[in-house]
Amino acid sequence: GDSVTQMEGPVTLSEEAFLTINCTYTATGYPSLFWYVQYPGEGLQLLLKATKADDKGSNKGFEATYRKETTSFHLEKGSVQVSDSAVYFCALSDLGKTSYDKVIFGPGTSLSVIP
Amino acid sequence: NAGVTQTPKFQVLKTGQSMTLQCAQDMNHEYMSWYRQDPGMGLRLIHYSVGAGITDQGEVPNGYNVSRSTTEDFPLRLLSAAPSQTSVYFCASSYLTSGRGQTQYFGPGTRLLVL
Repeated sequence: GDSVTQMEGPVTLSEEAFLTINCTYTATGYPSLFWYVQYPGEGLQLLLKATKADDKGSNKGFEATYRKETTSFHLEKGSVQVSDSAVYFCALSDLGKTSYDKVIFGPGTSLSVIP
Repeated sequence: NAGVTQTPKFQVLKTGQSMTLQCAQDMNHEYMSWYRQDPGMGLRLIHYSVGAGITDQGEVPNGYNVSRSTTEDFPLRLLSAAPSQTSVYFCASSYLTSGRGQTQYFGPGTRLLVL
């Protein structure tokens, strides 16, 4: 079945450091890929997404490129801030046996940014 | 536009008690779902619904019931609470896809402790 694998962390970085969180997936179809972010005490919210190969999703300085050949969707940011401290979830959605998307989440990666 | 709302925010139950977690959305989304979030396990799907009167089981449905009498509401019932159901519960909603990659909108979560 479909699955998402991501580094679990926790990841601790100094402010202004470069961030990479790896995400790889397996899917029977042609999925859409997402990164969701969960700030402390809150629900998840969409950070960025990509729906086809070679698409780049971007938001708030974060980027991820849909790489079909390596089945990956790694999250990157050039210079992290303390306010980026959160848990990041990679996810995919794929058409299941019915007409609606089935959403699969990775285990989440906890990021702490220290001043 | 309140988005997805959940009540209560926090609940303590004794083993064997029953309760209902409420979820409502005002975005006219057809698809609604319940997840539980446990440390190291990410988000696991409990039940989902693709419209009023239509529900189905997710990955971890045992011990939980759902119903969907209206588009807006999707309550989750714990029939006889067990300590293993101690978790954070998230409700999410989205449009049913007619294209690709629908965004999930999450509520703020309900933290449940079963003693």
